[in-house]
Amino acid sequence: DVKVTQSSRYLVKRTGEKVFLECVQDMDHENMFWYRQDPGLGLRLIYFSYDVKMKEKGDIPEGYSVSREKKERFSLILESASTNQTSMYLCASSYDGEYTEAFFGQGTRLTVV
Amino acid sequence: AQKVTQAQTEISVVEKEDVTLDCVYETRDTTYYLFWYKQPPSGELVFLIRRNSFDEQNEISGRYSWNFQKSTSSFNFTITASQVVDSAVYFCALSERTGRRALTFGSGTRLQVQP
Repeated sequence: DVKVTQSSRYLVKRTGEKVFLECVQDMDHENMFWYRQDPGLGLRLIYFSYDVKMKEKGDIPEGYSVSREKKERFSLILESASTNQTSMYLCASSYDGEYTEAFFGQGTRLTVV
Repeated sequence: AQKVTQAQTEISVVEKEDVTLDCVYETRDTTYYLFWYKQPPSGELVFLIRRNSFDEQNEISGRYSWNFQKSTSSFNFTITASQVVDSAVYFCALSERTGRRALTFGSGTRLQVQP
């Protein structure tokens, strides 16, 4: 089975802190994604990566950055956390093909106080 | 730009009722792919089905069925004889052949099945 693992299930951080959310997949997928989920808004794409050291902005990249130094690991970084970044963050991965589904991690619920 | 609309925010049914979740999409691409995911209370999205734009055949898998109609840009999901375990948030998603690799999701429909 494909496994996408996010480092934390719940996180509480203070405003202004630098926050790292880690995601690891074990299926040698080329693509990895970070989404943010908010009530009534569904999942919105923050960033994605289709190869090591490659990244592309999604729909809401402001306030976030990413890092992909190894194929299996994709990190989301909140440079200076703010309360409006309180949300559920979902990592996903997929094979690089036209018709491939994405596999998701269990999510990290981040609260910024 | 691609867009997915799930107009039903929340649906509540009683066990054994049939329920249909609506999904309407917008895309300029002639080749695209549609997906449904289930998010149970545990939080992890579970893939249910995918369909490409050239395959309008309806699909049935047990109590689940999907109706894809290009003429109305819809990809609706029906659960027959619903069960309490079907309670979850369901997401419809779209990707385009010529667009970015990532899925674009609708806002989701929360289904509550009462015993």
